[in-house]
Amino acid sequence: DTGVSQDPRHKITKRGQNVTFRCDPISEHNRLYWYRQTLGQGPEFLTYFQNEAQLEKSRLLSDRFSAERPKGSFSTLEIQRTEQGDSAMYLCASSSTRRQETQYFGPGTRLLVL
Amino acid sequence: GEDVEQSLFLSVREGDSSVINCTYTDSSSTYLYWYKQEPGAGLQLLTYIFSNMDMKQDQRLTVLLNKKDKHLSLRIADTQTGDSAIYFCAPSRGPGGSYIPTFGRGTSLIVHP
Repeated sequence: DTGVSQDPRHKITKRGQNVTFRCDPISEHNRLYWYRQTLGQGPEFLTYFQNEAQLEKSRLLSDRFSAERPKGSFSTLEIQRTEQGDSAMYLCASSSTRRQETQYFGPGTRLLVL
Repeated sequence: GEDVEQSLFLSVREGDSSVINCTYTDSSSTYLYWYKQEPGAGLQLLTYIFSNMDMKQDQRLTVLLNKKDKHLSLRIADTQTGDSAIYFCAPSRGPGGSYIPTFGRGTSLIVHP
């Protein structure tokens, strides 16, 4: 296993622009989670997928946010019309069917909105 | 919703034991996790305890759970400089809550020589 990977690792954008992040989970992990972590805080849950189905979304996930996992493998998180308050670390995690209680986190994508 | 409280900072001398404490509010929490985060990195799962246990030991790590008081602690024996990081307590409802943890603000552990 190569672990959970995320791309890009860093993103700087201007307010109002759209950004898209990618997460590749550990191979054959059927669950994929997205979290957001702002400075000085713990991660907050955004959404999760089981295979290609998006099963739960947090109220934090406003209409400007959309996540997909079209083939049940990698996932993308898009933020439209970014705001300065979107500046955060976006973390992805995955877990397997047999060990659903154990989530493995990626290194995160750090977003800065100017 | 769940509230998780931790002290923000803990400073210890190398070789001493560190104890990081956490209180939570959701009595339905069944899996209680401890994660470690180094600067600029993702989270590493250190250990977890199931709610029907009161203690779990894993090498240098000891987790104690007082379910009645909703208090969780992580003890690190023989703390090393490499243990310097932020430690997050994160309870979850287990399968009933899709194993989604609620994270506290984290405790910054500083280990000095």
